[in-house]
Amino acid sequence: QVRLVQSGPEVKKPGTSVKVSCKGSDYTFTRYDISWVRQAPGQGLEWMGWISTSNGDRNFAQSLQGRITLTIDTSASTAYMELRSLSSDDTAVYFCARRNPHLEGPDNYFYHALDVWGQGTTVIVSS
Amino acid sequence: DIQMTQSPSSLSASVGDRVSIACRASQTIHNYLVWYQQKPGKAPKLLIYAASTLQSGVPSRFSGSGSGTHFTLTIDGLQPDDFATYYCQQTYSSPPVTFGPGTKVEI
Repeated sequence: QVRLVQSGPEVKKPGTSVKVSCKGSDYTFTRYDISWVRQAPGQGLEWMGWISTSNGDRNFAQSLQGRITLTIDTSASTAYMELRSLSSDDTAVYFCARRNPHLEGPDNYFYHALDVWGQGTTVIVSS
Repeated sequence: DIQMTQSPSSLSASVGDRVSIACRASQTIHNYLVWYQQKPGKAPKLLIYAASTLQSGVPSRFSGSGSGTHFTLTIDGLQPDDFATYYCQQTYSSPPVTFGPGTKVEI
Protein backbone atom coordinates (compact mmCIF):
# COMPACT_ATOMS: atom_id res chain seq x y z
CA GLN A 1 0.00 0.00 0.00
CA VAL A 2 1.49 3.32 -1.06
CA ARG A 3 2.17 5.38 2.03
CA LEU A 4 3.93 8.43 3.34
CA VAL A 5 4.78 8.20 7.02
CA GLN A 6 5.84 11.32 8.88
CA SER A 7 7.79 11.81 12.08
CA GLY A 8 6.11 12.48 15.39
CA PRO A 9 4.83 15.64 17.07
CA GLU A 10 7.19 18.37 18.15
CA VAL A 11 7.11 21.14 20.73
CA LYS A 12 9.62 23.90 20.07
CA LYS A 13 10.66 27.19 21.64
CA PRO A 14 10.43 30.40 19.60
CA GLY A 15 13.59 31.05 17.61
CA THR A 16 14.54 27.40 17.30
CA SER A 17 14.21 25.00 14.36
CA VAL A 18 12.19 21.91 13.56
CA LYS A 19 12.91 19.11 11.11
CA VAL A 20 10.10 16.84 9.93
CA SER A 21 10.69 13.63 8.00
CA CYS A 22 8.45 11.92 5.46
CA LYS A 23 9.19 8.34 4.38
CA GLY A 24 7.65 6.88 1.28
CA SER A 25 6.90 3.18 0.88
CA ASP A 26 5.58 0.78 -1.74
CA TYR A 27 6.32 2.99 -4.72
CA THR A 28 9.35 4.22 -6.64
CA PHE A 29 10.28 7.24 -4.55
CA THR A 30 12.18 9.07 -7.29
CA ARG A 31 9.25 9.04 -9.75
CA TYR A 32 7.26 11.53 -7.73
CA ASP A 33 8.10 14.89 -6.21
CA ILE A 34 7.24 15.72 -2.62
CA SER A 35 5.26 18.79 -1.63
CA TRP A 36 4.88 20.21 1.84
CA VAL A 37 1.65 21.80 3.04
CA ARG A 38 0.79 23.15 6.47
CA GLN A 39 -2.41 23.93 8.27
CA ALA A 40 -2.62 26.26 11.24
CA PRO A 41 -5.28 25.47 13.84
CA GLY A 42 -8.74 26.06 12.39
CA GLN A 43 -7.29 27.40 9.16
CA GLY A 44 -6.96 26.29 5.55
CA LEU A 45 -4.16 24.66 3.63
CA GLU A 46 -0.95 26.59 2.93
CA TRP A 47 1.50 25.31 0.33
CA MET A 48 5.06 25.55 1.61
CA GLY A 49 7.16 24.17 -1.20
CA TRP A 50 8.15 21.13 -3.20
CA ILE A 51 11.27 19.20 -4.01
CA SER A 52 12.09 17.01 -6.95
CA THR A 53 13.09 13.56 -5.74
CA SER A 54 14.93 12.89 -9.00
CA ASN A 55 17.23 15.91 -9.21
CA GLY A 56 16.75 17.93 -6.01
CA ASP A 57 15.22 20.98 -7.70
CA ARG A 58 12.99 22.86 -5.29
CA ASN A 59 10.61 25.78 -4.98
CA PHE A 60 9.32 27.53 -1.91
CA ALA A 61 6.50 29.82 -0.92
CA GLN A 62 7.73 33.41 -0.96
CA SER A 63 6.63 33.85 2.65
CA LEU A 64 9.00 31.12 3.83
CA GLN A 65 12.06 31.97 1.72
CA GLY A 66 15.17 31.99 3.87
CA ARG A 67 13.64 29.94 6.68
CA ILE A 68 12.82 26.64 4.96
CA THR A 69 15.08 23.86 3.74
CA LEU A 70 13.84 20.84 1.82
CA THR A 71 16.08 17.83 1.37
CA ILE A 72 15.79 14.22 0.30
CA ASP A 73 17.61 11.00 1.03
CA THR A 74 16.79 8.77 -1.90
CA SER A 75 18.55 5.79 -0.33
CA ALA A 76 16.06 5.97 2.53
CA SER A 77 13.08 7.10 0.39
CA THR A 78 12.71 9.99 2.82
CA ALA A 79 12.10 13.70 2.42
CA TYR A 80 12.83 16.28 5.07
CA MET A 81 11.47 19.73 5.80
CA GLU A 82 13.38 22.03 8.15
CA LEU A 83 11.92 25.32 9.30
CA ARG A 84 14.08 27.81 11.20
CA SER A 85 13.47 30.85 13.40
CA LEU A 86 10.16 29.47 14.58
CA SER A 87 7.44 31.72 15.96
CA SER A 88 3.99 31.04 17.30
CA ASP A 89 2.69 31.65 13.76
CA ASP A 90 4.39 28.41 12.74
CA THR A 91 2.21 26.34 15.06
CA ALA A 92 0.45 24.02 12.63
CA VAL A 93 0.05 20.51 11.31
CA TYR A 94 2.64 19.88 8.63
CA PHE A 95 1.84 17.48 5.80
CA CYS A 96 4.00 15.98 3.12
CA ALA A 97 2.28 14.81 -0.05
CA ARG A 98 3.25 12.97 -3.19
CA ARG A 99 2.94 15.10 -6.31
CA ASN A 100 1.73 12.71 -9.02
CA PRO A 101 2.31 14.11 -12.54
CA HIS A 102 1.02 10.97 -14.26
CA LEU A 103 -2.72 11.56 -13.88
CA GLU A 104 -4.41 11.27 -17.26
CA GLY A 105 -7.14 13.78 -17.90
CA PRO A 106 -10.17 13.70 -20.22
CA ASP A 107 -8.15 15.15 -23.09
CA ASN A 108 -5.33 12.59 -22.91
CA TYR A 109 -3.05 15.19 -21.34
CA PHE A 110 -1.38 14.43 -18.05
CA TYR A 111 -2.05 16.46 -14.95
CA HIS A 112 -0.56 16.58 -11.50
CA ALA A 113 -2.13 16.55 -8.06
CA LEU A 114 -1.24 15.57 -4.52
CA ASP A 115 -2.50 12.01 -4.49
CA VAL A 116 -0.92 10.50 -1.39
CA TRP A 117 -0.54 12.38 1.88
CA GLY A 118 1.34 11.75 5.07
CA GLN A 119 -0.60 11.58 8.30
CA GLY A 120 0.57 15.03 9.38
CA THR A 121 3.02 16.19 12.03
CA THR A 122 1.87 18.60 14.72
CA VAL A 123 4.39 21.30 15.52
CA ILE A 124 3.66 23.55 18.49
CA VAL A 125 5.80 26.62 19.03
CA SER A 126 5.51 27.91 22.54
CA SER A 127 7.71 29.48 25.17
CA ASP B 1 0.17 34.79 -7.92
CA ILE B 2 -3.17 33.21 -8.77
CA GLN B 3 -5.73 33.70 -6.01
CA MET B 4 -8.45 31.14 -5.37
CA THR B 5 -11.79 31.86 -3.74
CA GLN B 6 -14.59 29.50 -2.74
CA SER B 7 -18.23 29.98 -1.96
CA PRO B 8 -19.96 29.46 0.28
CA SER B 9 -17.50 29.22 3.17
CA SER B 10 -19.86 26.79 4.84
CA LEU B 11 -23.19 25.20 4.16
CA SER B 12 -25.70 23.05 5.98
CA ALA B 13 -27.24 20.13 4.17
CA SER B 14 -29.03 16.87 4.79
CA VAL B 15 -28.31 13.33 3.74
CA GLY B 16 -29.55 12.86 0.20
CA ASP B 17 -29.22 16.52 -0.80
CA ARG B 18 -27.49 17.75 -3.93
CA VAL B 19 -24.73 20.15 -2.92
CA SER B 20 -22.64 22.48 -5.07
CA ILE B 21 -19.48 24.34 -4.12
CA ALA B 22 -18.04 27.08 -6.29
CA CYS B 23 -14.36 27.86 -6.80
CA ARG B 24 -13.05 30.84 -8.70
CA ALA B 25 -9.52 31.66 -9.90
CA SER B 26 -8.21 35.21 -10.24
CA GLN B 27 -7.05 34.44 -13.79
CA THR B 28 -7.56 31.63 -16.20
CA ILE B 29 -6.22 28.27 -15.09
CA HIS B 30 -7.83 26.37 -18.00
CA ASN B 31 -8.77 23.06 -16.38
CA TYR B 32 -5.83 22.79 -13.97
CA LEU B 33 -8.10 22.55 -10.96
CA VAL B 34 -8.04 19.96 -8.21
CA TRP B 35 -10.56 19.23 -5.44
CA TYR B 36 -9.68 17.72 -2.06
CA GLN B 37 -11.81 16.54 0.85
CA GLN B 38 -10.56 16.88 4.41
CA LYS B 39 -12.10 15.47 7.57
CA PRO B 40 -11.17 16.76 11.03
CA GLY B 41 -7.80 15.53 12.20
CA LYS B 42 -7.05 13.85 8.88
CA ALA B 43 -4.97 14.61 5.83
CA PRO B 44 -6.71 15.88 2.71
CA LYS B 45 -7.87 13.31 0.17
CA LEU B 46 -7.70 13.80 -3.58
CA LEU B 47 -11.17 13.73 -5.15
CA ILE B 48 -10.96 15.29 -8.61
CA TYR B 49 -8.22 16.58 -10.89
CA ALA B 50 -8.23 18.26 -14.30
CA ALA B 51 -11.42 19.96 -13.08
CA SER B 52 -13.63 16.97 -13.84
CA THR B 53 -11.71 13.68 -13.66
CA LEU B 54 -12.59 11.54 -10.68
CA GLN B 55 -9.64 10.06 -8.84
CA SER B 56 -9.69 6.27 -8.71
CA GLY B 57 -11.89 4.99 -5.91
CA VAL B 58 -13.90 8.19 -5.44
CA PRO B 59 -17.67 7.61 -5.51
CA SER B 60 -19.50 8.71 -8.64
CA ARG B 61 -21.80 11.01 -6.64
CA PHE B 62 -18.89 13.47 -6.76
CA SER B 63 -18.45 15.44 -9.97
CA GLY B 64 -16.52 18.49 -11.06
CA SER B 65 -17.09 20.96 -13.84
CA GLY B 66 -15.83 24.24 -15.18
CA SER B 67 -12.86 25.72 -16.99
CA GLY B 68 -11.09 29.05 -17.20
CA THR B 69 -11.86 30.79 -13.93
CA HIS B 70 -15.12 29.24 -12.67
CA PHE B 71 -15.40 25.74 -11.30
CA THR B 72 -17.96 23.69 -9.39
CA LEU B 73 -17.82 20.61 -7.19
CA THR B 74 -21.16 18.81 -6.96
CA ILE B 75 -22.14 16.03 -4.58
CA ASP B 76 -25.31 14.37 -5.83
CA GLY B 77 -26.96 12.54 -2.95
CA LEU B 78 -24.98 13.62 0.09
CA GLN B 79 -23.92 10.73 2.35
CA PRO B 80 -22.98 10.85 6.05
CA ASP B 81 -19.34 10.25 5.10
CA ASP B 82 -19.32 13.40 2.96
CA PHE B 83 -19.56 15.88 5.81
CA ALA B 84 -16.13 17.47 5.60
CA THR B 85 -14.27 20.51 4.34
CA TYR B 86 -13.59 20.78 0.61
CA TYR B 87 -10.66 22.67 -0.91
CA CYS B 88 -9.94 23.60 -4.49
CA GLN B 89 -6.36 24.02 -5.70
CA GLN B 90 -4.93 25.44 -8.91
CA THR B 91 -2.03 23.58 -10.48
CA TYR B 92 -1.69 25.76 -13.59
CA SER B 93 0.91 28.20 -12.29
CA SER B 94 3.55 27.13 -9.81
CA PRO B 95 5.08 28.34 -7.68
CA PRO B 96 3.14 29.02 -5.75
CA VAL B 97 0.54 26.33 -5.73
CA THR B 98 -2.56 27.95 -4.27
CA PHE B 99 -5.52 26.51 -2.42
CA GLY B 100 -8.95 27.99 -1.94
CA PRO B 101 -9.95 28.84 1.64
CA GLY B 102 -12.23 25.81 1.94
CA THR B 103 -15.94 25.08 2.19
CA LYS B 104 -17.23 23.24 5.23
CA VAL B 105 -20.21 20.97 4.60
CA GLU B 106 -22.15 20.45 7.82
CA ILE B 107 -25.23 18.55 8.79
